[in-house]
Amino acid sequence: DQQVKQNSPSLSVQEGRISILNCDYTNSMFDYFLWYKKYPAEGPTFLISISSIKDKNEDGRFTVFLNKSAKHLSLHIVPSQPGDSAVYFCAASSPGANSKLTFGKGITLSVRP
Amino acid sequence: NAGVTQTPKFRILKIGQSMTLQCAQDMNHNYMYWYRQDPGMGLKLIYYSVGAGITDKGEVPNGYNVSRSTTEDFPLRLELAAPSQTSVYFCASSPKGGSAINQPQHFGDGTRLSIL
Repeated sequence: DQQVKQNSPSLSVQEGRISILNCDYTNSMFDYFLWYKKYPAEGPTFLISISSIKDKNEDGRFTVFLNKSAKHLSLHIVPSQPGDSAVYFCAASSPGANSKLTFGKGITLSVRP
Repeated sequence: NAGVTQTPKFRILKIGQSMTLQCAQDMNHNYMYWYRQDPGMGLKLIYYSVGAGITDKGEVPNGYNVSRSTTEDFPLRLELAAPSQTSVYFCASSPKGGSAINQPQHFGDGTRLSIL
């Protein structure tokens, strides 16, 4: 049972345009959400996170939006750059010091020059 | 600035062989994790540790063992390798666990393991 779903396996956008990566979750106990970015032959690196007490968090070109009622979050990248081409994982955790991260399958983003 | 170091990067094993995947971190993090990533799938948690001497099972622990004798090291042991264990293995660490804000997990670059 997939608790974190990234239903689109890939996304291709033009350089300079907006990239919108979507993520849905089913577990209403999740209260913390993260996005990780992964290049080939490297480990995932943390990109941005959001707590369930917020509906938006920005960090430079990256913004994460959270819609708790829809159990949906999205990552916006503006403007997109070729170096953003990577696999993006959405992850979530529930409250508790020892709670674990649940990852989605990932979305492959390609930014065309 | 080493962060999380995994060795080896690649390995091919025969069915039934055993091996240990090494993971070391130099950030003095209490929490450490082992994940596996199969093609087209997300990361699945195998085992985790909240400190030296304390380990616990994750989502997919069968066929694996871990130990945590020091804060720095968290090796993963495969005793009887099976084709189903062909995967990419990632080790991660974090200062705190769970929903700790701004305390994300830091990952190593992975070990690509093939069992034939």
